[in-house]
Amino acid sequence: NAGVTQTPKFQVLKTGQSMTLQCAQDMNHNSMYWYRQDPGMGLRLIYYSASEGTTDKGEVPNGYNVSRLNKREFSLRLESAAPSQTSVYFCASGTNMNTEAFFGQGTRLTVV
Amino acid sequence: GENVGLHLPTLSVQEGDNSIINCAYSNSASDYFIWYKQESGKGPQFIIDIRSNMDKRQGQRVTVLLNKTVKHLSLQIAATQPGDSAVYFCAENVKGQKLVFGQGTRLTINP
Repeated sequence: NAGVTQTPKFQVLKTGQSMTLQCAQDMNHNSMYWYRQDPGMGLRLIYYSASEGTTDKGEVPNGYNVSRLNKREFSLRLESAAPSQTSVYFCASGTNMNTEAFFGQGTRLTVV
Repeated sequence: GENVGLHLPTLSVQEGDNSIINCAYSNSASDYFIWYKQESGKGPQFIIDIRSNMDKRQGQRVTVLLNKTVKHLSLQIAATQPGDSAVYFCAENVKGQKLVFGQGTRLTINP
């Protein structure tokens, strides 16, 4: 089992460009999450999907959109990237919302 | 590695000593708590969890203590090893809602 797989691992964008971060899990988990991690701060929740077909905003949703494509996949889209979105992005999944979350290896995004 | 945790609280211990990492959580309604370990360049890794109907739980070399009265969580690591060097995060969950992470503590093991 690969667990949680994120692509790409690294990305550099110019301000205003758009891109989609991909995430897939092979653990048959219901819940999936997108976090960002900035230096000196913990992980902050961007969006989450409690189950297939639902998505909800987290702590810092502005500038992002998500799609729960199916049970396995949960993508994060930046429509118009800004330097403030430079961060490390982590996708995670869990059996449900009241169990531990398993994390991917992260995507390091730099917006110049 | 990543510049994760540049300004995090830091705990330094000697190899072989016991470590105690503390966490104050914010929501008295939280009923599930998790400790994660994050090594440089990697995603957070689950260590141990505890539910609010317990005040102590033990794993291999790790113990989590929960004090609901003062909303305090601690992670004890016995006989620390160089591989324990990492940033440790506590996370709280409220009745099946989103998982909220604390700031994190960087643990450094001195030889």
